Amino acid sequence: DTAVSQTPKYLVTQMGNDKSIKCEQNLGHDTMYWYKQDSKKFLKIMFSYNNKELIINETVPNRFSPKSPDKAHLNLHINSLELGDSAVYFCASSPGIDTGELFFGEGSRLTVL
Amino acid sequence: AQSVAQPEDQVNVAEGNPLTVKCTYSVSGNPYLFWYVQYPNRGLQFLLKYITGDNLVKGSYGFEAEFNKSQTSFHLKKPSALVSDSALYFCAVSSPTDSWGKFQFGAGTQVVVTP
Repeated sequence: DTAVSQTPKYLVTQMGNDKSIKCEQNLGHDTMYWYKQDSKKFLKIMFSYNNKELIINETVPNRFSPKSPDKAHLNLHINSLELGDSAVYFCASSPGIDTGELFFGEGSRLTVL
Repeated sequence: AQSVAQPEDQVNVAEGNPLTVKCTYSVSGNPYLFWYVQYPNRGLQFLLKYITGDNLVKGSYGFEAEFNKSQTSFHLKKPSALVSDSALYFCAVSSPTDSWGKFQFGAGTQVVVTP
């Protein structure tokens, strides 16, 4: 079983569209994250939820809206997609905000045309 | 604010030779330090971490890292590199007293191991 799974793995869409990426973890972790990896492989944190509560909200355009229906799921919705949103988006989880390493999903490659 | 520097974009090493990937950090307070590896088109995989205790930590796939507080470094090492170690390596830092919960990643170092 995949510990942290993201869907879709690949997403190609036009500018101005709205899209969502879903993430689920079966590790029983309390904390989940969204990271963005750009074309130069630089990783930047976007959001973090702990037990469904938003705890980290970096300087991200408000076109990006995370949603955590329960602590095993963290989805990312993006409105009015722009060319600069093209990147690989990684979901990750950890046992808690103060406990150690992150477990990453395989990534969702978003291409905006 | 916390930060991580990986001074080398790429490290080239011959198979069987020692491998070192450098990392320095800056945090206020005690650092939690991590190394991750990313293979092409894959997510990041955890290698090892330093939280407290022995400065030399051992991790997966024969990797180890040494925490040096005075030099604020956490270099990743492997005594004998394999071709399969070729990948992108990330150092990360977190701190309970500085932006807690935000794992700050370095820019990554591409390791190329040649046969």
